Amino acid sequence: EDQVTQSPEALRLQEGESSSLNCSYTVSGLRGLFWYRQDPGKGPEFLFTLYSAGEEKEKERLKATLTKKESFLHITAPKPEDSATYLCAVQAADTGNQFYFGTGTSLTVIP
Amino acid sequence: EPEVTQTPSHQVTQMGQEVILRCVPISNHLYFYWYRQILGQKVEFLVSFYNNEISEKSEIFDDQFSVERPDGSNFTLKIRSTKLEDSAMYFCASSEDGSNPVGFGPGTRLLVL
Repeated sequence: EDQVTQSPEALRLQEGESSSLNCSYTVSGLRGLFWYRQDPGKGPEFLFTLYSAGEEKEKERLKATLTKKESFLHITAPKPEDSATYLCAVQAADTGNQFYFGTGTSLTVIP
Repeated sequence: EPEVTQTPSHQVTQMGQEVILRCVPISNHLYFYWYRQILGQKVEFLVSFYNNEISEKSEIFDDQFSVERPDGSNFTLKIRSTKLEDSAMYFCASSEDGSNPVGFGPGTRLLVL
């Protein structure tokens, strides 16, 4: 059973059209939830870490939030350069130091 | 800002050949990882390495795989006898204390023919 599920798989937005990406997790004893951005052919680039429910982090047009079951990555007034795949990963108490990744949401922002 | 580096960026090999993928983690980091991503699939954990030994490994990391930190800066992944299904992007990553965000390298694209 997948421990991290991301939705939607793909999202197309007009420039300036705000939206949210979802990451649902089923691990027990969450140690951290991590958001990464991945451009084609590149390694994941770290965006945020969230450790506890209710926590929020912001960076430019991105805002990440966390509940006990899921995390949202809110994108406000996106620009074409925000186009990328956004990955969610979790680290849990019963999985040591390894990260479990979701399959990602491929975001395309159209000018 | 310090980065994880990886070499080569691309490698093509014949099935059954040995390959060594190289990584230079961020200098003050103590935890090192290898992940792989088959085209179109999720990033998958292979192995973590701490204090000169494997701390965790996944089911993917079978006897054909090994890791080594031959000196104070390099971290290598060896695949002894490559299979077609080993074709993937291999990412090296490092972390300061195992709980902080993991920094990923740019990856090595391995193609097994």
